[in-house]
This record gives sequence, C-alpha cells and structure tokens, in this order.
Amino acid sequence: AQTVTQSQPEMSVQEAETVTLSCTYDTSESDYYLFWYKQPPSRQMILVIRQEAYKQQNATENRFSVNFQKAAKSFSLKISDSQLGDAAMYFCAYRSAYSGGYQKVTFGTGTKLQVIP
Amino acid sequence: NAGVTQTPKFQVLKTGQSMTLQCAQDMNHNSMYWYRQDPGMGLRLIYYSASEGTTDKGEVPNGYNVSRLNKREFSLRLESAAPSQTSVYFCASSQGPSGELFFGEGSRLTVL
Repeated sequence: AQTVTQSQPEMSVQEAETVTLSCTYDTSESDYYLFWYKQPPSRQMILVIRQEAYKQQNATENRFSVNFQKAAKSFSLKISDSQLGDAAMYFCAYRSAYSGGYQKVTFGTGTKLQVIP
Repeated sequence: NAGVTQTPKFQVLKTGQSMTLQCAQDMNHNSMYWYRQDPGMGLRLIYYSASEGTTDKGEVPNGYNVSRLNKREFSLRLESAAPSQTSVYFCASSQGPSGELFFGEGSRLTVL
C-alpha cells in the first residue's frame, strides 16, 4: 500500500518570503500522480498543483512550484512571495495511474502553514 | 456550477442514533468518494465508488455503509453512531485516473 508522509506538522513564513513544504511517499509503482491541496479555515479543499510522475519537468502554477524527485520519492511544494491568503493546511496526495489502483487517493497528515505579516 | 454538494453541513447525534450524509455532483464524474478528516491524521478514505452500481471499502469502512444511488449521488450512512465517528466528512468526485478530486464543503458530525 502506498503511504504519504508530511513530516512538518506546522510551519511559518514571513509575508513575501519563500517557504518549502516537504512530502515523501512510498510506492512500488512507476506511474502515478501527485497533488498538493490547500485547505483554508473555510474547510474547502482546493487543488494547488498536480505532477505526473512520467513527466521530468516540475509543475508550476504562478507562485507555487514543486520539486519532484522520483528516485528519492520526494515531492515538495515551494510557495514564493508568500501572502496572507496562503495561510492554510496543505495536504500532499498520491494517486496510482493503474486501473484497479487509481481509485484510492492517499493523503498525508498535512502541514499547517502560518503566514506572519 | 455547484460542483460537489453535501448535506448537512453540521449535525449532532447521540450515541446509537443513525443518520445519512448526502452527496451529489453535477460534473458527470464516474468516481465518488467519502473521506473523514481527523486532527493529525489527514484524510482517510472510508468508501469509494468507481462507477454507478459499484462500491468498495477504503481504509476505515467499519461502522459505515454507502449507496451509489445513481451517477450523481453517493450517500454515507451511520447505522449506530459512536463517539469515535465524531469527525469532518468530505465527499469528493473525480473523472479518470489523472483527474484531481473535487471536494464538497465538508460535514462536521459530532456524536455525544
């Protein structure tokens, strides 16, 4: 079974600075998808970014980018120019690309990000 | 565009009572899911439905039942609620293996 580990329960960053959230995962599969979700105090789960394992290039969405290291099974999220609205819980998630396995999306335990004005 | 709608948003139950959480999606997605979120434990999959007419157990199915009523609707039932089922419940849907999950707003359930 796949596991996703987020080893930083809480982090803080100064407004306008850069912060990196860590995520590691364990799998024997070669094809899969990785996601970062944001959960603000409103409780709504919002997709931040997605990475396809067969793509070498790291995904980027505006101020959000990932460092995907397939061999190391690491998938960190970098937030540049942090804003107050980035304060939230962030979840890393894994999804198999194989039929029969792709239905189970596995989440990490989350990292709570505080943005300091 | 409503996306994923789940009801109720809040519910308080007494131990032993039953209730059903309703979920509907309007994105024509094949797959639907129920997760529970507890502090320090992330989101854990309770049940999922890969397509209309099929349901499968996830990581923590004990104490729950589900029904995939049609392609749009996927309900979660607690037959005899226990305090350990106090949690925030999320319904989600997706289309295909590469698709992200689209979540409802969550339902906070308290069992006294």
